[in-house]
Parts: sequence; C-alpha cells; structure tokens
Amino acid sequence: NAGVTQTPKFRILKIGQSMTLQCTQDMNHNYMYWYRQDPGMGLKLIYYSVGAGITDKGEVPNGYNVSRSTTEDFPLRLELAAPSQTSVYFCASSKGQGENTGELFFGEGSRLTVL
Amino acid sequence: GNSVTQMEGPVTLSEEAFLTINCTYTATGYPSLFWYVQYPGEGLQLLLKATKADDKGSNKGFEATYRKETTSFHLEKGSVQVSDSAVYFCAFPYSSASKIIFGSGTRLSIRP
Repeated sequence: NAGVTQTPKFRILKIGQSMTLQCTQDMNHNYMYWYRQDPGMGLKLIYYSVGAGITDKGEVPNGYNVSRSTTEDFPLRLELAAPSQTSVYFCASSKGQGENTGELFFGEGSRLTVL
Repeated sequence: GNSVTQMEGPVTLSEEAFLTINCTYTATGYPSLFWYVQYPGEGLQLLLKATKADDKGSNKGFEATYRKETTSFHLEKGSVQVSDSAVYFCAFPYSSASKIIFGSGTRLSIRP
C-alpha cells in the first residue's frame, strides 16, 4: 500500500541551487497536486495537474515548475532556490471526479531548507 | 473569489471536553466541503466530508453539518481525547473541482 511517495524527505539547499522534488502515486489517480506548508500556516497550492500532459498554476506558482509526463509521476522543480522557499512540501493525488472530488491522498512531505 | 476562513488556534482543551472549530466559506454555488486532519509529523488525511447542503459528515466521533444559510461547516466532537491532538483544516474546491484550497489550520491540544 504505497499510496503517494515523496522523495527526498529532507534537503538543505544553498541559495541559487536547483533541485527536483519527486512524487509518485500508484493509485492510478488522474489529479495530482503540490502544496507548501510554511511553519504555523496552512497549505498553499503551488501547481496541479488533471492528467498526463496537463498542468496548471495554483495560488503560489512563482519560482517553481512542474511536468506530468506519466499518470504516476508529478515532479516539482525549483530552479533558483531562495530562502523564501524554505517550507514543507506535500504532494497529493485524487480521483478528482464525481463524489470523490476533493478527496486527496497526501504524501508524508518533504522538508526543504534554503540557506 | 472563493475563500475559506477558519477559526484561529491554538485551541487547548481538557480530555472529554466539547470541541467546536469554526469554518466559513465564500463560494459560488454549493461545493463539497471537507475537513482534513494532520497528526504530528504526518501528511494530511481526510477526516470527513459533505457533498451537498444540509448533509452531515461524520467520522471518528467528529461531525460537521453543511449549512448553506450561514455558509458554514463547523467541526464538532462531543468528548475529545488526547489522541485527537492534531491540526485540523477546512477545505473546498476553489474555482473548479480540481483545485482544492485549505484554510489556515487550527492546532488542537488536548490535556489529559
């Protein structure tokens, strides 16, 4: 029962470095999401995807890029890391339709620190 | 645009106390509404949901009723336990069914 798997769990970056947070799901869900959670704050939607080859911006997309070449994978890329991107990142997936709309399954999170 | 406003925390209660966490929303139409819970060190998980007005969602002793008159979806539990200590999030679809947004979260701590 893998569900949604995120890697790495922890990472420290220097300002200006780039990296990719990996996310994969084995539930054949069409919808996938990336959120960030700053300390003591709620979740903010970065990007989402409704299917392979389709992505769209969320509330806070600046500084990030995504791709969705397969149903299973939805990587999040940071090109030029900045201290403001220090956060915990959560990937989620959903069937996305009908009565399942809004039922998200979350990964365990990736804690990123930019120094 | 659509938005969700959630009661600020932290909330500290004694075991067996009654719990209410307020959530109100602004939306066009009547979207499905959700409560998620985040236990320490974990990702969020769905606690309960309601898909239409006047529906009541329930799970693990928690309940929430979708009230369109007051555009609210308050979370309640009659007798909380230490194991209920977590952060609770209200959520609903933003501009489409595929774009889910979350409230700011309410941290709940239960004293033995």
